[in-house]
Amino acid sequence: GQQLNQSPQSMFIQEGEDVSMNCTSSSIFNTWLWYKQEPGEGPVLLIALYKAGELTSNGRLTAQFGITRKDSFLNISASIPSDVGIYFCAGPKTLNFGNEKLTFGTGTRLTIIP
Amino acid sequence: GAVVSQHPSWVICKSGTSVKIECRSLDFQATTMFWYRQFPKQSLMLMATSNEGSKATYEQGVEKDKFLINHASLTLSTLTVTSAHPEDSSFYICSARGLGDEKLFFGSGTQLSVL
Repeated sequence: GQQLNQSPQSMFIQEGEDVSMNCTSSSIFNTWLWYKQEPGEGPVLLIALYKAGELTSNGRLTAQFGITRKDSFLNISASIPSDVGIYFCAGPKTLNFGNEKLTFGTGTRLTIIP
Repeated sequence: GAVVSQHPSWVICKSGTSVKIECRSLDFQATTMFWYRQFPKQSLMLMATSNEGSKATYEQGVEKDKFLINHASLTLSTLTVTSAHPEDSSFYICSARGLGDEKLFFGSGTQLSVL
């Protein structure tokens, strides 16, 4: 089946540092979504990307839709303790008209050291 | 963003009993709802897709008689884990999407523990 691989699998950084993570796929996506999940909660949508090469920001978060449409990147600037969580990329795949599935990446677990 | 409410947040049950989990879209009509399962430190795995008024489509390896899904209205979908066993213990998450929207909004999840 289709797989989205995220790198790195986990990160341990100091507060204030910038964070970079990526997501790669063996197939093309027309949309990339980035979610954050905190313990015991469902994922929350952070950023949605709809066009190859698109660069979109949401506060300290910036995400880019790779030109090849097979990858996406998420950056967090000046990390703070509340950034802790698991970050997932996701891509919808249309099976047929009106029927889509969302495939999730393997996740990047972010831990911030005070 | 849109709000998806999931209940209960956690449930503990005895082996052999059935458990129902509800997923409601509070401020939009969800034409499609999805049910995911997540094991500790792993990604979300799609279990099934349900469209309002029709039978759910299950992913390969997911037993439809074990995980009953009902999507009777545009704002409510339910997942019933029938005759639950300890191996069914997991974090179950629903999500919902409105017509023509590619974004998914998630419920807060249900932690199921089967003793």
